[in-house]
Amino acid sequence: DADVTQTPRNRITKTGKRIMLECSQTKGHDRMYWYRQDPGLGLRLIYYSFDVKDINKGEISDGYSVSRQAQAKFSLSLESAIPNQTALYFCATSDPSSSGGFLSSYNEQFFGPGTRLTVL
Amino acid sequence: QKEVEQNSGPLSVPEGAIASLNCTYSDRVSQSFFWYRQYSGKSPELIMSIYSNGDKEDGRFTAQLNKASQYVSLLIRDSQPSDSATYLCAVSAIGSGNTGKLIFGQGTTLQVKP
Repeated sequence: DADVTQTPRNRITKTGKRIMLECSQTKGHDRMYWYRQDPGLGLRLIYYSFDVKDINKGEISDGYSVSRQAQAKFSLSLESAIPNQTALYFCATSDPSSSGGFLSSYNEQFFGPGTRLTVL
Repeated sequence: QKEVEQNSGPLSVPEGAIASLNCTYSDRVSQSFFWYRQYSGKSPELIMSIYSNGDKEDGRFTAQLNKASQYVSLLIRDSQPSDSATYLCAVSAIGSGNTGKLIFGQGTTLQVKP
């Protein structure tokens, strides 16, 4: 079974619709991240969460919101989708304690399979 | 200046050759460096991490880090067509404390020709 799963894998929607992308993980990691990937722009961080009570904006959070329902679940919502939100969305997890035991920025991140979102 | 820079390529090498992928970063105090491989339409897969100056080898892969020059590279020996992918360099975000935030380069596309 995959350690990090994302649903749906593909979604086509219309402008103005509310969309939720879900991420679940069985790795037991505390930290979870949402990224979007666009051709030529690389991976950009939307939101990240240290634990259920700690959610932080990334570099491109406008137009998005998130919910950390449990340690294992982190959802990304587009309140009113627009065409320039068409992209590949990835969830990732990390746990500093799994990277050599150092509480530092030695955080390897592990990615889910991605959701391809198209907004018409 | 971009925080993490990579040549987008494509870098084309013949099968069996050594592929050399390069990455530079702007902030001198970065601590953690990662190489991810991404096949078209798939998610990034972590293949190497390096934290100290010098070389780190894992199978056909060698990561090289030079903090003084703010440079990290990935060497792939005996390149195979299955190595054809985009390789992403990632660096721990500066001032992030222990957030684990990474900054990614745009990736270098590698093509290994049979």
